Amino acid sequence: GAVVSQHPSWVICKSGTSVKIECRSLDFQATTMFWYRQFPKQSLMLMATSNEGSKATYEQGVEKDKFLINHASLTLSTLTVTSAHPEDSSFYICSASRQAVETQYFGPGTRLLVL
Amino acid sequence: GDSVTQMEGPVTLSEEAFLTINCTYTATGYPSLFWYVQYPGEGLQLLLKATKADDKGSNKGFEATYRKETTSFHLEKGSVQVSDSAVYFCALSGSEKLVFGKGTKLTVNP
Repeated sequence: GAVVSQHPSWVICKSGTSVKIECRSLDFQATTMFWYRQFPKQSLMLMATSNEGSKATYEQGVEKDKFLINHASLTLSTLTVTSAHPEDSSFYICSASRQAVETQYFGPGTRLLVL
Repeated sequence: GDSVTQMEGPVTLSEEAFLTINCTYTATGYPSLFWYVQYPGEGLQLLLKATKADDKGSNKGFEATYRKETTSFHLEKGSVQVSDSAVYFCALSGSEKLVFGKGTKLTVNP
């Protein structure tokens, strides 16, 4: 149990376009979902925390107008990278939690390349 | 703020060798400590955890002991297998979020 999927697994887009990444908890209801960004040879950096039906809480330095997060249901959260630029190219990982922040189940990640 | 430092990789070992991946942390309060593993093409999976000082987490032959005096949580395995090849992340829970180290890539050769 506790499977989290992400779609797409990788995406290439042109600069200036928007890209949406989905994160789904397949066999449980996730009250909280987390979005991380991982640079090569770097740790996972938390971008934002979202609770179902509430606005996401963004970490310091993360542009909320750039990275739109929607958590409309207990099994789905989306991250939209708006007006993407090459510097947004990265590996984006989501995780989902039933309750405690300590128990997070991670998706396989989405690799974004902006040309 | 809270932080985790783990040894730089990559680490390459032969099958049945002993593994140690060092991890130290800086935190306020008393965080829980974790090791996550990421196999190729998959998401991070919790490998083991410890919630208080002197606790030992163990799973699949891996062990790590929460050492408060040295603020460490080193990962060890007595005899690695090819199937252990993966990226290992040390993490702590603090301030309502997980803080990760940079990850250590382990390759085990037959």
